[in-house]
Amino acid sequence: EIVLTQSPGTLSLSPGERATLTCRASQSLTNDYLAWYQQKSGQPPRLLIYDASARAAAIPDRFTGSGSGTEFTLTISRLEPEDLAVYFCQLYGGSLTFGGGTKVEIK
Amino acid sequence: EVQFVESGGGVVRPGDSLRLSCAGTELSVNLFWMMWVRQSPTKGLEWVASSNPAGVEEYGESVRGRFIVSRDFGGESLSLQMNDVRDDDTAVYFCARQVYRRSYPRHSYLDVWGTGTSVTVS
Repeated sequence: EIVLTQSPGTLSLSPGERATLTCRASQSLTNDYLAWYQQKSGQPPRLLIYDASARAAAIPDRFTGSGSGTEFTLTISRLEPEDLAVYFCQLYGGSLTFGGGTKVEIK
Repeated sequence: EVQFVESGGGVVRPGDSLRLSCAGTELSVNLFWMMWVRQSPTKGLEWVASSNPAGVEEYGESVRGRFIVSRDFGGESLSLQMNDVRDDDTAVYFCARQVYRRSYPRHSYLDVWGTGTSVTVS
């Protein structure tokens, strides 16, 4: 079973700063079947990125997904106050698992 | 835009049964590949079960043999029958739509999520 480990656990940044979130897989992914979700307090997860780098519909271009193999990154280029949330990665394809999440705090 | 609404959550005792439902607001769930995902503070997000439009089912290891996912084609809803519930089944349960692509061998990502229904086993 592939395990996804997200880091850091919490990221505290100011508006306008760049946020870099990492999702590491315990085994190399043969296909880049990795998604990123944003979950705000009291809401369900919202799809941001699929296939590692494809932006979902209506997602602002400040959200960028990248990576392959065992290391994947979600970058928020210019943080806005509304980006306060927990971000999860998800492996899909032959197996399915979620990472533990990274909490993004806005200073 | 399709939305999903879950219902049926509540407080139950260990060993009890509970049935959750998921309905689509604009389109029937029966058109889609669907999934139940749960979220708890202890386990985070966890895949529970999947169902495709033909009614083929798959289950996560922790619920296999106890939970049953089914489609009510007449009522146009997706159900999750939870039997012999345990303390660690306590979670918010979401139904979500999988994006089907032939290149995805088994599972997909989830582009529309319901608001969730809370289940407490105590």
